Amino acid sequence: AQKITQTQPGMFVQEKEAVTLDCTYDTSDQSYGLFWYKQPSSGEMIFLIYQGSYDEQNATEGRYSLNFQKARKSANLVISASQLGDSAMYFCAMREVTGNQFYFGTGTSLTVIP
Amino acid sequence: EAQVTQNPRYLITVTGKKLTVTCSQNMNHEYMSWYRQDPGLGLRQIYYSMNVEVTDKGDVPEGYKVSRKEKRNFPLILESPSPNQTSLYFCASSLFRGPSGNQPQHFGDGTRLSIL
Repeated sequence: AQKITQTQPGMFVQEKEAVTLDCTYDTSDQSYGLFWYKQPSSGEMIFLIYQGSYDEQNATEGRYSLNFQKARKSANLVISASQLGDSAMYFCAMREVTGNQFYFGTGTSLTVIP
Repeated sequence: EAQVTQNPRYLITVTGKKLTVTCSQNMNHEYMSWYRQDPGLGLRQIYYSMNVEVTDKGDVPEGYKVSRKEKRNFPLILESPSPNQTSLYFCASSLFRGPSGNQPQHFGDGTRLSIL
């Protein structure tokens, strides 16, 4: 079974609008961390936001927020007020504390339309 | 400047010719890892290391070797490269300790390997 599932290969959003990128995960661990990374066309991997499984509040970092629904095992990334520079691939990832591996999803390609 | 440095950035080589991709970090991180990125498959972990002399297989270790003799370095070795190892490779590092695994990985700029 896939540890991380991103079901949206591509998404479009109008500039200044908000967009939600979906991520579901599969783990039987009680303790784990969830991460989102951005990969622009230049190729580097940029860390955006982190959510711990025991965190009671949704994580926020500037225009990024993580909609964490533990019972549904989802960790969706919300980007508010989209900008042209947000056009990129976005990856959801997880690390289980009992193990040492990181698992990444297949990514979502976001295009911001002027 | 805190960084993960990979070399080379680009390499075209032929089947069977041994190659090494170097990775070095200057953040005193315990955890280091190698990934390959292929279209439609995302990033898949090849090997990781929790500390010096401690390494373990990720999801796609076949055809690769690693070593961790020093904390800062984690080279990826392809003993006999084959065309199916043509890919974009990333090295990453992070602190190992922390509650809920909350240490984000810092990535190198990537190495694009083409094996003919």
